[in-house]
Amino acid sequence: AQSVTQLDSQVPVFEEAPVELRCNYSSSVSVYLFWYVQYPNQGLQLLLKYLSGSTLVKGINGFEAEFNKSQTSFHLRKPSVHISDTAEYFCAVMRVTGGGNKLTFGTGTQLKVEL
Amino acid sequence: GAVVSQHPSWVICKSGTSVKIECRSLDFQATTMFWYRQFPKQSLMLMATSNEGSKATYEQGVEKDKFLINHASLTLSTLTVTSAHPEDSSFYICSASGTSSPLHFGNGTRLTVT
Repeated sequence: AQSVTQLDSQVPVFEEAPVELRCNYSSSVSVYLFWYVQYPNQGLQLLLKYLSGSTLVKGINGFEAEFNKSQTSFHLRKPSVHISDTAEYFCAVMRVTGGGNKLTFGTGTQLKVEL
Repeated sequence: GAVVSQHPSWVICKSGTSVKIECRSLDFQATTMFWYRQFPKQSLMLMATSNEGSKATYEQGVEKDKFLINHASLTLSTLTVTSAHPEDSSFYICSASGTSSPLHFGNGTRLTVT
């Protein structure tokens, strides 16, 4: 089975400051990694994903994440946040094979950007 | 634009009644659809996986007789919450994928049972 840990339930940050949202995962098989954003009362929007290749992945809205296999981490970063980035962020994993496209989500991190 | 449409976006129903939620893929054929449930300030929990034309596969602990899932066509899956109770109040989200389409999420349905 796979599991995802997002240690920070809430991350407050001032506008234009950098931010890092942490994600660690556990799996006995190879996985794909994802970050999703959820705005209030809405579904999930894909920010970025790691499937293979370069470990630094760039996504939408200026976000990027780095896959670190040895540390089983996939932290999300943005060099300068905006008020509009306030939302819930979910890290997720999917088995490369045999998983049937099922996603296992972390518990989420609430990013609150303040003026 | 949205490639997965979920309807309704919110619904209020009385205890004991049934509610149907629709999930449609708008511009691709969804061979697989997933239904998730999300409690306030919590993560998404997979309820079931449905493949077009076959019975849904439910996750452990999910009552299949209470949460009826139908995936009768390649563009539509429905989740029916039967004999709803206040504890069924939650945010339900579907996602869909096709053979050549990545996973897309609907915008969710807020169910409130009074």
